[in-house]
Amino acid sequence: DVKVTQSSRYLVKRTGEKVFLECVQDMDHENMFWYRQDPGLGLRLIYFSYDVKMKEKGDIPEGYSVSREKKERFSLILESASTNQTSMYLCASKGARTDTQYFGPGTRLTVL
Amino acid sequence: GNSVTQMEGPVTLSEEAFLTINCTYTATGYPSLFWYVQYPGEGLQLLLKATKADDKGSNKGFEATYRKETTSFHLEKGSVQVSDSAVYFCALSALTGGFKTIFGAGTRLFVKA
Repeated sequence: DVKVTQSSRYLVKRTGEKVFLECVQDMDHENMFWYRQDPGLGLRLIYFSYDVKMKEKGDIPEGYSVSREKKERFSLILESASTNQTSMYLCASKGARTDTQYFGPGTRLTVL
Repeated sequence: GNSVTQMEGPVTLSEEAFLTINCTYTATGYPSLFWYVQYPGEGLQLLLKATKADDKGSNKGFEATYRKETTSFHLEKGSVQVSDSAVYFCALSALTGGFKTIFGAGTRLFVKA
């Protein structure tokens, strides 16, 4: 079974802090994604990566950056956290030849 | 651009009731269509999918048929259980969108015993 893990289930940070969210997948997938999930808005794509050191902006990249130094790991960085970044963050991965995404359990981030 | 619209929730049903969650889409070409499910405290997981017109996806008693003429992919189950309580997301993936997956807003289902 594909396993996607995220470093924290719950995180509380203060406004202005730098926040790192880590995601690791064990299926050698080329593609990895970061979404945020908010009530009534569904999932919105923040960034994705189709290869090591490659990244593409999604629909809402402002205030975020990403890093993919190894194939299995995709990190989301909030350079200076703000209260409007309080949300559930979901990581997903996908193989190059499939159309199914595999999701981690999510990190619920609260910015105070 | 490509988009997915699904019925707003929450939907509350009694156990053994019939379930329909409506989903319509807008896309050029021939997208693949999906239903993902998110159980409480978990990430999303694929429930079923269909890749071409008139295909029927099915899993765990759930079904959805790809209807190109009505651009719809409605989710149905004949007899729901308490364990089906979750949030259901309709989604599409299309070449015209660079194969990014577009998700609907999600529909929360509560099933009462």
